[in-house]
Amino acid sequence: AQRVTQPEKLLSVFKGAPVELKCNYSYSGSPELFWYVQYSRQRLQLLLRHISRESIKGFTADLNKGETSFHLKKPFAQEEDSAMYYCALSGSASYDKVIFGPGTSLSVIP
Amino acid sequence: GAVVSQHPSRVICKSGTSVKIECRSLDFQATTMFWYRQFPKQSLMLMATSNEGSKATYEQGVEKDKFLINHASLTLSTLTVTSAHPEDSSFYICSARIPGGDTQYFGPGTRLTVL
Repeated sequence: AQRVTQPEKLLSVFKGAPVELKCNYSYSGSPELFWYVQYSRQRLQLLLRHISRESIKGFTADLNKGETSFHLKKPFAQEEDSAMYYCALSGSASYDKVIFGPGTSLSVIP
Repeated sequence: GAVVSQHPSRVICKSGTSVKIECRSLDFQATTMFWYRQFPKQSLMLMATSNEGSKATYEQGVEKDKFLINHASLTLSTLTVTSAHPEDSSFYICSARIPGGDTQYFGPGTRLTVL
């Protein structure tokens, strides 16, 4: 079964502290993994995807196929990082649906 | 970059009426679009996959006769909530994926309130 889990519903960290948002998945085959972010009153937007191995706004995520995880990390949290973060997976075809995790609300305390 | 728009952004209707929500891909053609529903403080729940020129594929538990989807062109998909009831009040979001691409682009969402 295709599934994405994010164990933390809420996560609060102090400004400047490291952040790790956990994501685990189950999928038969080779999925594509994504992190989406939704800032207050804004549309959902792509933060990063595993195939590009990029760093966006200081965030990185490494796909660990052995642990079926795709945790999102940032070494120093900023107040503007406060948002809702969704881990998601999809197949590679354009018609493949995206399955979202339940989301983690990150709050960065000044 | 690719843009997906939705109209209207907000709609309030009376119970029993029908509401149509449009989703457009503005600078690319999308053979497949997706419709999601998001309740407050919850994740996106996929409702259906909209296929241009053919019937939509609905997720388990989604009533196809209540949520009518029409994907009449490569840039437009519509979701009609028929005989809306207060429990249908939610945030409806569409997305589309550029053929051959790996990124989904999301619309800004439509907030439906049924009185």
